[in-house]
Amino acid sequence: GQQLNQSPQSMFIQEGEDVSMNCTSSSIFNTWLWYKQDPGEGPVLLIALYKAGELTSNGRLTAQFGITRKDSFLNISASIPSDVGIYFCAGLGGATNKLIFGTGTLLAVQP
Amino acid sequence: NAGVTQTPKFQVLKTGQSMTLQCAQDMNHEYMSWYRQDPGMGLRLIHYSVGAGITDQGEVPNGYNVSRSTTEDFPLRLLSAAPSQTSVYFCASSRDWFSGNTIYFGEGSWLTVV
Repeated sequence: GQQLNQSPQSMFIQEGEDVSMNCTSSSIFNTWLWYKQDPGEGPVLLIALYKAGELTSNGRLTAQFGITRKDSFLNISASIPSDVGIYFCAGLGGATNKLIFGTGTLLAVQP
Repeated sequence: NAGVTQTPKFQVLKTGQSMTLQCAQDMNHEYMSWYRQDPGMGLRLIHYSVGAGITDQGEVPNGYNVSRSTTEDFPLRLLSAAPSQTSVYFCASSRDWFSGNTIYFGEGSWLTVV
């Protein structure tokens, strides 16, 4: 099935560091989304992107919709312990016109 | 403030047993879906529904059945559990057709098949 390649798979960082992760696809998407999943919970939407080149912020989080429409990036600045969780990208559109999720990036933040 | 409610939270099954994962939403959403989450695989769509009485297959439907007799409920049935169905299952509902920004997930159901 169609999947998004997300990297890195995991990150172990110190509190205060900046974090970058990205998502790539062989298909073009019309919408890119970033979700966060806390341990034992379902995913929660962080940022939604609707136009190629769009750059959107939500507090310390910034995400970009790639110009080619085949990729997206998420940056977290000045990480804090509560940033711990799994971050998923998701694309809408593509061949199936359904929401396709990335493989996830596990983030661990050491105080 | 219930949102999407899934039960049970945890379940252990023996191979060949059947069971139903319950999902209910109180937001009057038309669209509901079931995903499974496996390590390194992200979330994969099992079945979805665009309204009461209408269901369709997602990416990984084999071994699962769904029905949608009411707007609120969307149960997922495992007909004859297999170890490959060990996973975390998430129910989701949304106002718009897979718009992503209006999708709400339940807290998940951890299923182990031995």
